[in-house]
Amino acid sequence: DVKVTQSSRYLVKRTGEKVFLECVQDMDHENMFWYRQDPGLGLRLIYFSYDVKMKEKGDIPEGYSVSREKKERFSLILESASTNQTSMYLCASRRTVSEQFFGPGTRLTVL
Amino acid sequence: GNSVTQMEGPVTLSEEAFLTINCTYTATGYPSLFWYVQYPGEGLQLLLKATKADDKGSNKGFEATYRKETTSFHLEKGSVQVSDSAVYFCALRNNNDMRFGAGTRLTVKP
Repeated sequence: DVKVTQSSRYLVKRTGEKVFLECVQDMDHENMFWYRQDPGLGLRLIYFSYDVKMKEKGDIPEGYSVSREKKERFSLILESASTNQTSMYLCASRRTVSEQFFGPGTRLTVL
Repeated sequence: GNSVTQMEGPVTLSEEAFLTINCTYTATGYPSLFWYVQYPGEGLQLLLKATKADDKGSNKGFEATYRKETTSFHLEKGSVQVSDSAVYFCALRNNNDMRFGAGTRLTVKP
């Protein structure tokens, strides 16, 4: 079974802190994605990556950056966390022509 | 471009009722279509999929048929259970572009 794991299920940070969200997949997928999910807004794509060291902006990249140094790992970075970044963050991965597999999500609260 | 529109929720049903959640899509070519389910506090899980016209995806009593003529992929279940309470997302993948609907929250009451 494909497994996508995220480093934390729940995270509480303070405004201005630098926050790292880690995602690891174990099926050698080329593509990895970060979404945020907010009530009434569905899934919104933040960043994605088609290969190691490659990254592309999604629909809402402002305030975020990403890193993909190894194929299996895709990190989301909040350079200076703000309260409007309080959200559920979902990582996903897939091959180019397959369905997408999601991690369990990280619920981030920024105080 | 590619897009997915699904019926707005929330949807509230009694146990054993019939469920339909409508989903329509816009895409060029021949996308693959998916339904995902998200239980409270969890990530999305693939529920079923269909990769070509007239295919029927099915799983756990849920079904959806890929209708190219109406660009639809409606989710149905004949008799829902309390444990089906979740958020359901319709999605399409067209080449390497994947799009999700806004999600429909289903609550099933005993």
